[in-house]
Amino acid sequence: DIVMTQTPLSSPVTLGQPASFSCTSSQSLVHSDGNTYLSWLQQRPGQPPRLLIYKISNRFSGVPDRFSGSGAGTDFTLKISRVEAEDVGIYYCMQATQFPRTFGQGTKVEIK
Amino acid sequence: EVQLVESGGGLVQPGESLRLSCAASGFSFSSHAMSWVRQAPGKGLEWVSGLTASGDRTFYADSVQGRFTISRDNSKNTLYLQMNSPRAEDTAVYYCARDYKIRDGGGSPPPPVDYWGQGTLVTVSS
Repeated sequence: DIVMTQTPLSSPVTLGQPASFSCTSSQSLVHSDGNTYLSWLQQRPGQPPRLLIYKISNRFSGVPDRFSGSGAGTDFTLKISRVEAEDVGIYYCMQATQFPRTFGQGTKVEIK
Repeated sequence: EVQLVESGGGLVQPGESLRLSCAASGFSFSSHAMSWVRQAPGKGLEWVSGLTASGDRTFYADSVQGRFTISRDNSKNTLYLQMNSPRAEDTAVYYCARDYKIRDGGGSPPPPVDYWGQGTLVTVSS
């Protein structure tokens, strides 16, 4: 199984300031079809997860452009350009390149 | 609008059985693989099981292999998870999620695991 590792596990952030989170996979996420199925999900308190970013850097429908994803191979990053209060929650990276799907431990984002 | 609505959760005793359902609407259910993902109280996300659009291939996490069975009824747009011999560690909110779309020669397919239901809570306790 592919192991997904996120850092940091907790991130106190300042409103209006940028934030960045990392995710590393134990092996390449490049699929045989040439795509890299690395996604980022947001889970606000008391809510189900919501897809933010797919295939490393594509924003899902309705996701604000302050969210961006980057990376390649086994190292990936989620960035928030200017943190807003509604961004509080836990952010998970997930690989959907193969079964079983696997998730990182999550990065908890709190406002300072 | 894509909608996934889980049901069937509740309190179950260890060793009893429980079947979860996920009613899908707003998309071509028979064109998508589907997955179940769970979240124990205060914990992270754990993928549990998945199956292909036709239901001919199934996948399981090691933690549930041999105890849980995933299935689907494409005529009813419904996904199921049969939970046999549940244990206390299976206590969690169970989410169904839309997984990858089979290739049909159309435009760029939607991403895998894009839409999630609200979840149904399963508590395994005596």
